[in-house]
Amino acid sequence: GAGVSQSPRYKVAKRGQDVALRCDPISGHVSLFWYQQALGQGPEFLTYFQNEAQLDKSGLPSDRFFAERPEGSVSTLKIQRTQQEDSAVYLCASSHRPGQGEVRGGETQYFGPGTRLLVL
Amino acid sequence: AQSVAQPEDQVNVAEGNPLTVKCTYSVSGNPYLFWYVQYPNRGLQFLLKYITGDNLVKGSYGFEAEFNKSQTSFHLKKPSALVSDSALYFCAVREGTYNNDMRFGAGTRLTVKP
Repeated sequence: GAGVSQSPRYKVAKRGQDVALRCDPISGHVSLFWYQQALGQGPEFLTYFQNEAQLDKSGLPSDRFFAERPEGSVSTLKIQRTQQEDSAVYLCASSHRPGQGEVRGGETQYFGPGTRLLVL
Repeated sequence: AQSVAQPEDQVNVAEGNPLTVKCTYSVSGNPYLFWYVQYPNRGLQFLLKYITGDNLVKGSYGFEAEFNKSQTSFHLKKPSALVSDSALYFCAVREGTYNNDMRFGAGTRLTVKP
C-alpha cells in the first residue's frame, strides 16, 4: 500500500485479556517503530526494529509488552494481561534506510493511523 | 536524554493572519528536529525537519520552521493561516546518529477561526 496501515483501528479488551496489534509498514522500509500515545499526550517511543532485528526495546513499559517482526516486514505488538493503564493509541511508523549523503537518524518516520485500545 | 517542550497547549489565530507554534528542545549532542500534524482519528503527518544546513526549513502546506541553536528553539510558522490548518501539532527531537528514541512534545492545538 501507499502508506503505513494498522489493524484493528479500535480494540476493546477486558482487563486481563491478551491483545495483538498489527502494523504493515511502507513497502521496502527497513526501520519500524512502535509508539504509545496516551490521551492528551505526545507519542512515546516503545521499540525499534531494523528489518527483523529488534534493536531497541527500551521504551516497553513492562514485560507484558512484546513486539516482533519475524520476516522484516509486518510487525505485531502484543500486550499480555492488559491493564486499564494500557489504554492508549498505539502508533506504528516506518522509515527507509538512509540513502547516500543522508544523515542516519534524520530519516523521516511515516506514521500509520494508530490502534485505539480501550481496556475495561 | 533529549526532550522537547511545547509551551502552549492552545494557539488561536484568525484566518489570514500569521501563525507561530513554539517548540524548544534540550539535547547534549546534535539535534534532529521534526514537526508533525495530527488530524482527528488519523496518524501523524510529517510536515518538515531540520537535520543540518540552512536554519530555515520549508515544508508541506506552506509551513516553515527556523532552527535557532542559541535559543534551542524550532518554532513552526506560516505567513497566512487557513481554517483547514486547525489540528494538533507535535514537535519532536532525535539526538545524534544512533539514538532511536524520538521524543515528542505534548502537542499544541491550533485553532484557526474564519
